Amino acid sequence: AQSVTQLGSHVSVSEGALVLLRCNYSSSVPPYLFWYVQYPNQGLQLLLKYTTGATLVKGINGFEAEFKKSETSFHLTKPSAHMSDAAEYFCAVTLSGAGSYQLTFGKGTKLSVIP
Amino acid sequence: NAGVTQTPKFQVLKTGQSMTLQCAQDMNHEYMSWYRQDPGMGLRLIHYSVGAGITDQGEVPNGYNVSRSTTEDFPLRLLSAAPSQTSVYFCASSYSNSLGEQYFGPGTRLTVT
Repeated sequence: AQSVTQLGSHVSVSEGALVLLRCNYSSSVPPYLFWYVQYPNQGLQLLLKYTTGATLVKGINGFEAEFKKSETSFHLTKPSAHMSDAAEYFCAVTLSGAGSYQLTFGKGTKLSVIP
Repeated sequence: NAGVTQTPKFQVLKTGQSMTLQCAQDMNHEYMSWYRQDPGMGLRLIHYSVGAGITDQGEVPNGYNVSRSTTEDFPLRLLSAAPSQTSVYFCASSYSNSLGEQYFGPGTRLTVT
């Protein structure tokens, strides 16, 4: 079974400051890892994903995340926050291999950006 | 492409009533799923389907039924609504080889009184 822990249910940053949203996972086999973003009153959309290969992955809107196996982490970062980044962010994991359909989500981190 | 569509957007039910939440996708995706989102709980998988005629339970299936008679449609049925089923419901779909990348609908906000 796999699980995801997101540290901090609410993070506030100033506009232009670094964004760091933390995600740790547990998985019995090599995981596939994801960050999804949910803007107010909308569904989720994929921000970025790690499956295999390069451990630093880049996503949309300037976000990136690094897979660190030794730390079982997949933290999301963005060098400079923008007001439009205010949203809820979900880390998710699924198991590699055939039939890797079931996503397990963390509880989410709501990002506020202060002007 | 319309992507993943869900109807209705909002619904209020009384305890004990039944209803069906509709989900459709026009991307010919094999995999479809239903999640519920509750404050502080993230998204939890209710049921999923890997193709027409095949469904299976997720993490929180009690009180819900699904069927998948076509590739496009995956309705979620509440048999006898309870206040604990007050939630926002999301449908998602993906190709079978998408490695977990799923497309989400806009959600249905359900209140059970």
